[in-house]
Amino acid sequence: SQELEQSPQSLIVQEGKNLTINCTSSKTLYGLYWYKQKYGEGLIFLMMLQKGGEEKSHEKITAKLDEKKQQSSLHITASQPSHAGIYLCGADPDDTDKLIFGTGTRLQVFP
Amino acid sequence: NAGVMQNPRHLVRRRGQEARLRCSPMKGHSHVYWYRQLPEEGLKFMVYLQKENIIDESGMPKERFSAEFPKEGPSILRIQQVVRGDSAAYFCASSPQGAQSPLHFGNGTRLTVT
Repeated sequence: SQELEQSPQSLIVQEGKNLTINCTSSKTLYGLYWYKQKYGEGLIFLMMLQKGGEEKSHEKITAKLDEKKQQSSLHITASQPSHAGIYLCGADPDDTDKLIFGTGTRLQVFP
Repeated sequence: NAGVMQNPRHLVRRRGQEARLRCSPMKGHSHVYWYRQLPEEGLKFMVYLQKENIIDESGMPKERFSAEFPKEGPSILRIQQVVRGDSAAYFCASSPQGAQSPLHFGNGTRLTVT
């Protein structure tokens, strides 16, 4: 069974718009990672969240982890075509060093 | 400082042949993960290894698949007697501390079984 649910599965936005991607788990997460994947390439690490309520930002991307450590959101402000790709959340739900990933959100940004 | 290196980038095998995928982790990283990504699907965990040890292989099919990470040399994912359903992108990732620190990914090996 899928332990990390991402929504939406795909997103098409106009350049300049804001957007949010969500990642939800039924278990408490020991570390939550956000990655981006471009077509045909490997995953690029974006951010890591560990504490309940933690929030981190890098350039126009902000990620948050809720207090219960079961839900995270990734917010992109003023999206650009360079933000296009697949965003994946990853976590270790059983604290066993086994990192699993959500199903991904495919983002397209059109001019 | 080279990243995670995977080779080959593309591999074509006929049904029944063997496929060997290689992964050289980042320098200083002793933890290696293998994942499989099918078209339009997410990244599925296969196996987690440390030097000379398999830590978790719960995502590996019981037959035909094996993985190793020897004391010297790259980690190898081996698929024997490949079938069309093995066609996928296989990604390797490494870290210095398991899942306690970010995993660094290679660009993957795209296996096509004809």
